Amino acid sequence: EDQVTQSPEALRLQEGESSSLNCSYTVSGLRGLFWYRQDPGKGPEFLFTLYSAGEEKEKERLKATLTKKESFLHITAPKPEDSATYLCAVTADSWGKFQFGAGTQVVVTP
Amino acid sequence: DGGITQSPKYLFRKEGQNVTLSCEQNLNHDAMYWYRQDPGQGLRLIYYSQIVNDFQKGDIAEGYSVSREKKESFPLTVTSAQKNPTAFYLCASTIGGDQPQHFGDGTRLSIL
Repeated sequence: EDQVTQSPEALRLQEGESSSLNCSYTVSGLRGLFWYRQDPGKGPEFLFTLYSAGEEKEKERLKATLTKKESFLHITAPKPEDSATYLCAVTADSWGKFQFGAGTQVVVTP
Repeated sequence: DGGITQSPKYLFRKEGQNVTLSCEQNLNHDAMYWYRQDPGQGLRLIYYSQIVNDFQKGDIAEGYSVSREKKESFPLTVTSAQKNPTAFYLCASTIGGDQPQHFGDGTRLSIL
């Protein structure tokens, strides 16, 4: 059965304190891994897609990387506005069915 | 601006009542999805549709129903058979199987 596990569940950072979020997955025939940001009471906002091991994507203070078993979302020098829940999802079929992890709640304090 | 519109933002259901959540997209996407989000859990797939007049059950379809009469619209009905409907409901759409899904801002359903 496909599984997606995110760790840690919650992360409290001081402004400027870099850290990494982990998304480990077990899926046969990965077609894509996706990172989203979700603010309270809002829908997830798409950040990155990674398709193959070794791939990296970057946007402002965020960088996503992918291996054959896991993905990392690195947050460099975070600011309070980076506070959100970060979700990871994978897809392995042509129907576009996603399997989501439970998310990592990140709080960045000034 | 292209996007996905969910309405209402908040909805209250009485015992024995069916309620319908609206989802409209103007992204010209073929595929649409409904998810349920509970605190501390990942998004769980309720129903999905790849094309007009066709839809499939997801992982937790019991107590829910959908229709897809137009490409732009994918309403979800929460029936009285769903005994624990209190949750945050999210609608999404995508252009294709391995492309990112884009989400609306959700409907929060509560029991009166």
